[in-house]
Amino acid sequence: QVQLTQSGGEVKKPGASVKVSCKASGYTFSSYAITWVRQAPGQGLEWMGWISAYSGHTNHAQKLQGRVTMTTDTSTRTAYMELRSLRSDDTAVYYCARGRGSSWSAMFDYWGQGTLVTVSS
Amino acid sequence: DIVMTQSPDSLAVSLGERATINCKSSQSVLYSSNNKNYLTWYQQKPGQPPKLLIYWASTRESGVADRFSGSGSGTDFTLTISSLQAEDVAVYYCQQHYILPCTFGQGTKLEI
Repeated sequence: QVQLTQSGGEVKKPGASVKVSCKASGYTFSSYAITWVRQAPGQGLEWMGWISAYSGHTNHAQKLQGRVTMTTDTSTRTAYMELRSLRSDDTAVYYCARGRGSSWSAMFDYWGQGTLVTVSS
Repeated sequence: DIVMTQSPDSLAVSLGERATINCKSSQSVLYSSNNKNYLTWYQQKPGQPPKLLIYWASTRESGVADRFSGSGSGTDFTLTISSLQAEDVAVYYCQQHYILPCTFGQGTKLEI
């Protein structure tokens, strides 16, 4: 069965970086896109960006410009999201999700369990 | 960016009654070439990731109870739960994937 397994929670200081991993199983990794979505405590869902597991092409939200990098490692079937220059308002649960298709425009049919990133001094 | 606005923000419905959640997009998400609305509904229960319920505005995901239905086209969409069950307590989100960036509605909290 399809599964996305994310890395564990992190506590970081302001200005630091965090790298969250998302290991896929149960499907052909390179045939689908991976999208990253975050959710601040008690808040709604925020689309961060996506990456094609086939080509490595990415696109991310304008507000994260210069701070976020999304990558994949097809040999280990793992997607990564790195966020730099962390601020307190980056505190959130970060989700990876599989897009039903190889492109950004897709519904998200499987989700990781979420990774809580806490930014605090 | 396309702004997705849901109404109401919260909703209390009795067990067995109908629940209706609305979603309005700031511009059409209907792609004329394939006549598909790029509108998806998700359900999120506390402490869990979102779950795909409805895609293309009205297509129920496999395994989703048939009391859930989606309707609408263009800019106005509705998620309906025909007979509310206790396990339907959750926050519901609409989302468009017509134009980047993908955007979500603010969510509607459904309670008994």
